Amino acid sequence: DAGITQSPRYKITETGRQVTLMCHQTWSHSYMFWYRQDLGHGLRLIYYSAAADITDKGEVPDGYVVSRSKTENFPLTLESATRSQTSVYFCASSDSTGRYYGYTFGSGTRLTVV
Amino acid sequence: KNEVEQSPQNLTAQEGEFITINCSYSVGISALHWLQQHPGGGIVSLFMLSSGKKKHGRLIATINIQEKHSSLHITASHPRDSAVYICAVPSGGGADGLTFGKGTHLIIQP
Repeated sequence: DAGITQSPRYKITETGRQVTLMCHQTWSHSYMFWYRQDLGHGLRLIYYSAAADITDKGEVPDGYVVSRSKTENFPLTLESATRSQTSVYFCASSDSTGRYYGYTFGSGTRLTVV
Repeated sequence: KNEVEQSPQNLTAQEGEFITINCSYSVGISALHWLQQHPGGGIVSLFMLSSGKKKHGRLIATINIQEKHSSLHITASHPRDSAVYICAVPSGGGADGLTFGKGTHLIIQP
């Protein structure tokens, strides 16, 4: 089906472990984004990508790594998970940075670090 | 960097009431987004607007670029409208992506 798919939907991991959240879109959108949503903070940008092999930091990038070897995939890796990274993670895609076109969001990944 | 303020934070109303949610931002923008998030659910884009007014069903979004202010209205509200409504604008200041308000938690009671 067309759209944007995140996996897994739920994940529990231990402190210090590496975990990767997957994001796949079929719109051929050039821009992809990773946001985290926390109570009291709203959604905050972690990393974004303007095209394959082009990535840049957002507001809260520390502890995260991204890659984009193909236009359709934008995985987010927590290199050594910490409890402060417990959050709901949303992937999004767009044909722009939000200035001219709307966003499509994935269903989210609820990550718990214990 | 753009700053976004939404009000109210929480709103409880009776079915059928006219609902207004407000959003103010600090830096001039090319477009503003209204999003909806149901409890435990994903985020859905409702509107993207750069001027004037847009309408979709019972939802109406307006924007005043000069005053840096937007409103989301819901007419004839229904319990299924219960959700968090989020306003977002381009971050600006050389940063890509959106800056989001903290959301308005709306509950419509039958």
